[in-house]
Amino acid sequence: SAVISQKPSRDICQRGTSLTIQCQVDSQVTMMFWYRQQPGQSLTLIATANQGSEATYESGFVIDKFPISRPNLTFSTLTVSNMSPEDSSIYLCSANRQILHNEQFFGPGTRLTVL
Amino acid sequence: GQNIDQPTEMTATEGAIVQINCTYQTSGFNGLFWYQQHAGEAPTFLSYNVLDGLEEKGRFSSFLSRSKGYSYLLLKELQMKDSASYLCAVTPGGGNKLTFGTGTQLKVEL
Repeated sequence: SAVISQKPSRDICQRGTSLTIQCQVDSQVTMMFWYRQQPGQSLTLIATANQGSEATYESGFVIDKFPISRPNLTFSTLTVSNMSPEDSSIYLCSANRQILHNEQFFGPGTRLTVL
Repeated sequence: GQNIDQPTEMTATEGAIVQINCTYQTSGFNGLFWYQQHAGEAPTFLSYNVLDGLEEKGRFSSFLSRSKGYSYLLLKELQMKDSASYLCAVTPGGGNKLTFGTGTQLKVEL
């Protein structure tokens, strides 16, 4: 499987500020995704990061709040804008390669705390 | 809509066998995944089923019945390190994105 890294691994931010999370895959992948995992909860898909075009957002998530970039096949960023304490969560990047089957693998996550 | 159900918690004994069930109702189906997630870590891939039947991989096996919207993950010869959250996820038809269940927290005891 490819290796995914995320930066930062954790951060503590003030209300009203923005944070950009970076995701780097060590090989080219077909699809990249951003998920959120709130404390004690399962994963919720925020959006699909599309290379060279606007991301595809899931219901309840909007571009103004979570702008996403994917300038090439190995890199994506997620920005959490105008943060509030409700945005405190773990944000995970994942990538998909279809070889034998449609396997999706995850980065280590970014633990965000908003004060 | 999408609905994926799993038991919230399970407890089992070291060396025993445990079965974690998952039922799903989704608008399409393109495969079912099981992931393991230890506290504070990212989910790691365990298994993938797209056809009915049992897939065996070492101590772990996963079963799928598409007609029943049902899957289970079977863990044999349980070890303490198997204590983790187990996530069932479905790929609805038409895309590769995953819809996750609520996750099952498994505790393995001596």
